Amino acid sequence: EVQLVETGGGLVQPGNSLKLSCATSGFTFSTAWMNWIRQTPGKRLEWLAQIEDKSNNYFISYLESVKGRFTISRDDSKSSVYLQMNNLKEEDTAIYYCTIGDWFAYWGQGTLVTVSS
Amino acid sequence: DIVMTQTPSSQAVSAGEKVTMSCKSSQSLLYSENKKNYLAWYQQKPGQSPKLLISWASTRESGVPDRFIGSGSGTDFTLTISSVQAEDLAVYYCEQYYDTPLTFGSGTKLEIK
Repeated sequence: EVQLVETGGGLVQPGNSLKLSCATSGFTFSTAWMNWIRQTPGKRLEWLAQIEDKSNNYFISYLESVKGRFTISRDDSKSSVYLQMNNLKEEDTAIYYCTIGDWFAYWGQGTLVTVSS
Repeated sequence: DIVMTQTPSSQAVSAGEKVTMSCKSSQSLLYSENKKNYLAWYQQKPGQSPKLLISWASTRESGVPDRFIGSGSGTDFTLTISSVQAEDLAVYYCEQYYDTPLTFGSGTKLEIK
């Protein structure tokens, strides 16, 4: 059974940083392309970043609006993917999900990030 | 970026009725080499994470009831629920995976009268 468990969310002040983690199981992580997606309080879904697998040299793509602030990474030995978020803004408040591939058959429960002073 | 436009934003139907919702993309999602449309549909019920219903515009996921039907090609796509059930109360999203950034529509909220 595929499992995705996102952790690391919380309340953070504007300008601060947060690192999200996603622990996975039930599939071959090392060959999977992994993503971070968020859902805003208004229920809008927004893809943020994707990291490909080793055979594709861990190629990374970002949504333009988070490029330079967010960094996606992975640890194949731990079957985990991460999202380092710096200089957080109030509009980054959302539920953050990790997902697999280009269309998303599996979703975790997400982790809530609230950016507020 | 490919913009996904969903209409209507919400609609209310009675159980047993047929409902259709539209998703239009700002550029074609049909890849000429494999003749596939890079379009998925998701259902999100209140308090839950999204659930994949359909990929490749018309391929239903295992376990998804056959009342959910995806159709369309190129830039115009439709999700049809042939006979709405009370448990279909949800927001439905389309997503294009033709190119990054992967993008979603803003959703169609289905309410049951």
